[in-house]
Amino acid sequence: EDQVTQSPEALRLQEGESSSLNCSYTVSGLRGLFWYRQDPGKGPEFLFTLYSAGEEKEKERLKATLTKKESFLHITAPKPEDSATYLCAVLFNTGKLIFGQGTTLQVKP
Amino acid sequence: DTAVSQTPKYLVTQMGNDKSIKCEQNLGHDTMYWYKQDSKKFLKIMFSYNNKELIINETVPNRFSPKSPDKAHLNLHINSLELGDSAVYFCASSQVVGDEAFFGQGTRLTVV
Repeated sequence: EDQVTQSPEALRLQEGESSSLNCSYTVSGLRGLFWYRQDPGKGPEFLFTLYSAGEEKEKERLKATLTKKESFLHITAPKPEDSATYLCAVLFNTGKLIFGQGTTLQVKP
Repeated sequence: DTAVSQTPKYLVTQMGNDKSIKCEQNLGHDTMYWYKQDSKKFLKIMFSYNNKELIINETVPNRFSPKSPDKAHLNLHINSLELGDSAVYFCASSQVVGDEAFFGQGTRLTVV
């Protein structure tokens, strides 16, 4: 069964303290992996799409990477405004799109 | 200018009632979706329409019926509401199926 798991569930960082969020998925064939950011009371906002192992994408303090079984969202020198829930979604070869449960990031000044 | 808009933002209703949530997108996308997000923030796809045709219909009670009058609109009608239907419902759209999606602001449904 296709599955997507994100870790950790929650992460607290001090401002400037870099870290990584993980998204792992069952290796049954990936068509695409998406990262979204969700602020409280709002809909998810698209960040990145990755399609193949070795691919990397960057946007400001965020960098997403992809291997054959997982993706990382690296946050470099985070600021309080980076606090949000980060969601990973995988589109499998079966056509199923599955979201992970999210990582809630809190960055303290 | 809102890309994906859904109404209402909040909906409180009694068990057994029938309610609708409306969604409109002005991005010119061909595909629209309904998602349900439970209290643990887990987001699950319910339906997907491509050019007014249903293409994804996950295991959802048949009390939930989507309707797409045109490719810019996808409404969700829910019959005989139950306590377990309480959640946040998101509408989204993408250019093609499986592409990056743009989400509405959500409708928080509370069934009492």
